[in-house]
Amino acid sequence: DQQVKQNSPSLSVQEGRISILNCDYTNSMFDYFLWYKKYPAEGPTFLISISSIKDKNEDGRFTVFLNKSAKHLSLHIVPSQPGDSAVYFCAASEIGSNTGKLIFGQGTTLQVKP
Amino acid sequence: SQTIHQWPATLVQPVGSPLSLECTVEGTSNPNLYWYRQAAGRGLQLLFYSVGIGQISSEVPQNLSASRPQDRQFILSSKKLLLSDSGFYLCAWRLAPDTQYFGPGTRLTVL
Repeated sequence: DQQVKQNSPSLSVQEGRISILNCDYTNSMFDYFLWYKKYPAEGPTFLISISSIKDKNEDGRFTVFLNKSAKHLSLHIVPSQPGDSAVYFCAASEIGSNTGKLIFGQGTTLQVKP
Repeated sequence: SQTIHQWPATLVQPVGSPLSLECTVEGTSNPNLYWYRQAAGRGLQLLFYSVGIGQISSEVPQNLSASRPQDRQFILSSKKLLLSDSGFYLCAWRLAPDTQYFGPGTRLTVL
């Protein structure tokens, strides 16, 4: 059972435009959400997170939006740059859990064309 | 600042051979530690996690095992590798509330 889903395996965007990556989840107990960026043959890098008490969190060019009623979150990258080309994973956790386990989506490969 | 190390970076092993991957964390104490695997074209699958020395929780029944002999050391092992064990293995540690930081990974190819 895939509790966190990224239904778009890939996305191609022109440099300077907005990239929107989407993520859906099914477990209503999730209350903390994260986005990671991963280059080939490297470990994922933490980008941005959001707790369920917020509906938006912004950090520079990256903004994460959370719609709890729809169990949906999205990552907006504005403006997109060629260096943003990578695989993006969303992840979710139950913040009160001692284990800190993250459940990851399958990833979306973003290509930003110059 | 905290740093996480993994080695080796790449490994090619024959089927049936043993495996030992090591992960160490610097700059923090009593971290939660995690082992993930990314199979080709797939997402990140949590294999094991540990909330303290000697404490190991397994997420997926498989040919692998994990151990935590020291506070900041996490080891992934196998007695006999299978072809299906090939993948990219990642170690991570947790900073509260639930952000995990990943090591550089080990590319394992089983032939």
